Amino acid sequence: EAAVTQSPRNKVTVTGGNVTLSCRQTNSHNYMYWYRQDTGHGLRLIHYSYGAGNLQIGDVPDGYKATRTTQEDFFLLLELASPSQTSLYFCASSAQGYSDYTFGSGTRLLVI
Amino acid sequence: GDQVEQSPSALSLHEGTGSALRCNFTTTMRAVQWFRKNSRGSLINLFYLASGTKENGRLKSAFDSKERYSTLHIRDAQLEDSGTYFCAAEAGNNNAPRFGAGTKLSVKP
Repeated sequence: EAAVTQSPRNKVTVTGGNVTLSCRQTNSHNYMYWYRQDTGHGLRLIHYSYGAGNLQIGDVPDGYKATRTTQEDFFLLLELASPSQTSLYFCASSAQGYSDYTFGSGTRLLVI
Repeated sequence: GDQVEQSPSALSLHEGTGSALRCNFTTTMRAVQWFRKNSRGSLINLFYLASGTKENGRLKSAFDSKERYSTLHIRDAQLEDSGTYFCAAEAGNNNAPRFGAGTKLSVKP
């Protein structure tokens, strides 16, 4: 079954730590997205990608890097994690625009 | 500024009643999608609309690109409808969807 799988499900790191969140989709979708969800803000777009090797900047990119290594895999990197990055992170994929989005189950990150 | 304004932020319904959630857009959107976040934290896809209305069971959604809004109507609310509902809209070609802040729905006996 086509899906978006995120890992890990939960992560705790210290301030200044290095964190990589992984997302894999088996939908054969071109587009992939990283969002963070915080109370009062809904989901905010961090980075997204149109395909392997492509990267687009979202609305809240500061402190985050992303890399799309293959059509299936999209990674979100926090190289110097800060407590303000404590959040619930969602990855999503979609076909060539104007179509349903499929979300992963989320990664809960705590930066202490 | 925020492109998607969702209201209300919270809603309480008694079982069997209904209401509407609304998203207003500050710019012309090409399509809108509605999700529910369930108790396990997963986002469940409810509707995707490029225009018009769609209905599925007790849920009905409408999208008016020209008037810049979308609605999600819930009728005969059930306890399992409780959760946070989000709309997400995309402005144009290669534009990633932007989300509203969510509506926390509580259905009570």
